[in-house]
Amino acid sequence: GDSVTQMEGPVTLSEEAFLTINCTYTATGYPSLFWYVQYPGEGLQLLLKATKADDKGSNKGFEATYRKETTSFHLEKGSVQVSDSAVYFCALNQGGKLIFGQGTELSVKP
Amino acid sequence: GAVVSQHPSWVICKSGTSVKIECRSLDFQATTMFWYRQFPKQSLMLMATSNEGSKATYEQGVEKDKFLINHASLTLSTLTVTSAHPEDSSFYICSAGGPTSGGRTGELFFGEGSRLTVL
Repeated sequence: GDSVTQMEGPVTLSEEAFLTINCTYTATGYPSLFWYVQYPGEGLQLLLKATKADDKGSNKGFEATYRKETTSFHLEKGSVQVSDSAVYFCALNQGGKLIFGQGTELSVKP
Repeated sequence: GAVVSQHPSWVICKSGTSVKIECRSLDFQATTMFWYRQFPKQSLMLMATSNEGSKATYEQGVEKDKFLINHASLTLSTLTVTSAHPEDSSFYICSAGGPTSGGRTGELFFGEGSRLTVL
């Protein structure tokens, strides 16, 4: 069945460092892809999305490009802030249901 | 974006009691809502798909008699954890597709989550 695999965390970075969180997927067809973020003690919020191959989703300085050839949707940010500390989930749409990766915890130190 | 609200945000109950969690779409109608369960430092596990006016569809391994789901209206779905035990302690999250997304793109809007602790 469809699945999503993320790089394991926790990821610890210094403020202003470059961030990459890898995400690959297995799916039939071409699902929509998402990154959700969960701040401590809160529910999930959509960070960005891409609905077709080569689309680039972006929001709050984060970017991810839908790569059909490598079945990937890696999350990047050029300069992280302490406020970016959270758990990040990659997900794909399977018939209207979201299938999530295991989540990657990011901790940004000042 | 569309707003989904859950209540209560946290609840503590004694073992053997039942707990009801509500999920409401505040500014749109949701024919389908989803219930997820999240264990500490783990991903979200889809428990069931709640369909307005019909029975919920449960994922494999989820006890339907344990986790009762009712979707009585287009804006409200409820999850009742019956005869709760400590192992049911978890973070329960509901979600629904927004008015212009949902089935088309699969984007979901999530409630704030409900943390259940069973003593």
